[in-house]
Order: sequence, then C-alpha cells, then structure tokens
Amino acid sequence: EAEVAQSPRYKITEKSQAVAFWCDPISGHATLYWYRQILGQGPELLVQFQDESVVDDSQLPKDRFSAERLKGVDSTLKIQPAELGDSAMYLCASSLSERHEQYFGPGTRLTVT
Amino acid sequence: QKEVEQDPGPLSVPEGAIVSLNCTYSNSAFQYFMWYRQYSRKGPELLMYTYSSGNKEDGRFTAQVDKSSKYISLFIRDSQPSDSATYLCALGDDKIIFGKGTRLHILP
Repeated sequence: EAEVAQSPRYKITEKSQAVAFWCDPISGHATLYWYRQILGQGPELLVQFQDESVVDDSQLPKDRFSAERLKGVDSTLKIQPAELGDSAMYLCASSLSERHEQYFGPGTRLTVT
Repeated sequence: QKEVEQDPGPLSVPEGAIVSLNCTYSNSAFQYFMWYRQYSRKGPELLMYTYSSGNKEDGRFTAQVDKSSKYISLFIRDSQPSDSATYLCALGDDKIIFGKGTRLHILP
C-alpha cells in the first residue's frame, strides 16, 4: 500500500539552529500539504502545494519558515532559526488533487531546547 | 465561535459498546467531511470521507452528516481496545479545518 514518507521521525535541536524536514508523497498525488500539530490540538495547515506551486502559505511564518517542492514531487520544510515555540509534530499529507482525501505521513516530532 | 467544535474527552467506554463521536460546525460552506484516527505519536489515518448528507458505512464504522444541523458523527460498533486513539474530524471547502480531536479509551 502506498504511503507518505517523512524523515527524520524525531529531531532535537537547539534554539537558533536550522532544521529541515523531508516529505515524499504518494506517487501521482499532485497536492502536498505541510501541517503543524501541537499536543492536544488538531493539525493546522502551514503550506499547500499544487504540483510545484504554492497554493496557500498564509499561515506559514515566513520570517523563519520556508518550503519548496522544486520538481513537484518531494518537498522540504525548513525552519531557521528554530525557536522554543516551534516544538511540535510536523505532518506531511498528500492528495490526488484539492478536495480529495488527504493521506498523512508518520510525522516528524521536533523538540527545540 | 470556532469553526469546528469537538469535545476533547477523554471518552471511556467498555469493550463491545457502540461509540458515538461528534463535531459541530458553523460554516455552511463546508462541502466534504472526513474522520481520522490518530494513535499516540503517529500521523492521522483516514477512516471515512464523505461529501453528502446521510450515512456512509465501512465495516464497523459509520459516518453521519447532517448539513442542516451542521453536525457530523462517527459511530464505532463492537468497539475494541485497539480502537483506543484520538479521533479527529476534518471539514473542507477551499481548505480543510480540523477539530481538536476526541481521546477515546476502550476498556477491556
């Protein structure tokens, strides 16, 4: 069964350091999403791609966060510099297109010390 | 009023019972509705997807949507200890909004 892949699964970093997360969506899925999930909350959208183009990044803190999906397949989310408040689960999801079911990866749990 | 309201629980029920999980929403523009199951420290797993009012059944799971009341439900029949998880509702139009999730404990 096809799955969304993410790495690393866990990351511990010191504040002010740079950190990057990688996501490989289900093959053929044109839409890719990055979410942040704080413990006890639902996922909140950070950025949405349609192929290689950003569709929605209105909730992405652009002073420190960046995301790219250069070839319209896999994607990288970067934080620089990391802050204590960035500690959370970062989830990647993909779907065939907008308004289709979203399938999530296992997530990257980030701890900033 | 938040767009999506979901009781965080925890909800504890005995094994074999029928579980009812619910979300209410305020935005009548939502057109499609999903339920996810999330185990601790894992990514959400899609259980049900529907875009119309009424019931949709898949095995032990039934999703119910009442657009007139802005109310959605997930029923789990013959609940098992392995169903213990957090259940998230998700509602979409141009973007998807998630509820905060309900923690469910099935007691053996």
